[in-house]
Amino acid sequence: AQSVAQPEDQVNVAEGNPLTVKCTYSVSGNPYLFWYVQYPNRGLQFLLKYITGDNLVKGSYGFEAEFNKSQTSFHLKKPSALVSDSALYFCAVRALLGLTFGKGTHLIIQP
Amino acid sequence: NAGVTQTPKFQVLKTGQSMTLQCAQDMNHEYMSWYRQDPGMGLRLIHYSVGAGITDQGEVPNGYNVSRSTTEDFPLRLLSAAPSQTSVYFCASSYSGTERNSPLHFGNGTRLTVT
Repeated sequence: AQSVAQPEDQVNVAEGNPLTVKCTYSVSGNPYLFWYVQYPNRGLQFLLKYITGDNLVKGSYGFEAEFNKSQTSFHLKKPSALVSDSALYFCAVRALLGLTFGKGTHLIIQP
Repeated sequence: NAGVTQTPKFQVLKTGQSMTLQCAQDMNHEYMSWYRQDPGMGLRLIHYSVGAGITDQGEVPNGYNVSRSTTEDFPLRLLSAAPSQTSVYFCASSYSGTERNSPLHFGNGTRLTVT
């Protein structure tokens, strides 16, 4: 069975600094990896996905993610954080049943 | 572009009551699913459907029923509500259920409280 781990419940970053939200995964076969963002009282919004190809994937709102097969990681990154990036972020791996989610990481960007 | 529409947004039930959470999508998506979100636990899959007339269980199906009579609609039924079913429920759909690169599109959720 597949699983996803997000080791940090919360990440605090000053506005303008680079940010990283960590994710590691466990899956048999090729991983199909996703990042979603959730703003308060809203559903999840798709940010980006890794299927195959380049290890650096670019997504919405200036976010990118780096796939590392040897470390089974798929960390979310952004070069310069905005206060509006503050939200709950989920990493997920897709299987035939559906998505398996990590527990989420609260990202707080301080002005 | 309505996307995935869930109703109601909020609901309070007493233990033992039944209700149906509605979900509709207008994107002609094959795959639809229901998740529940609980603090510190991420989202967990309740039931899913890969097409009209086809449904299957996810990770936490007990206490819930689903049906898929049309491509557009995927209602979730609570037969006898329990306090453990207090949660936020999300419906999600994707173009294909078998192509794992299809991202899910989520509704805005139904916040259910069972007293």
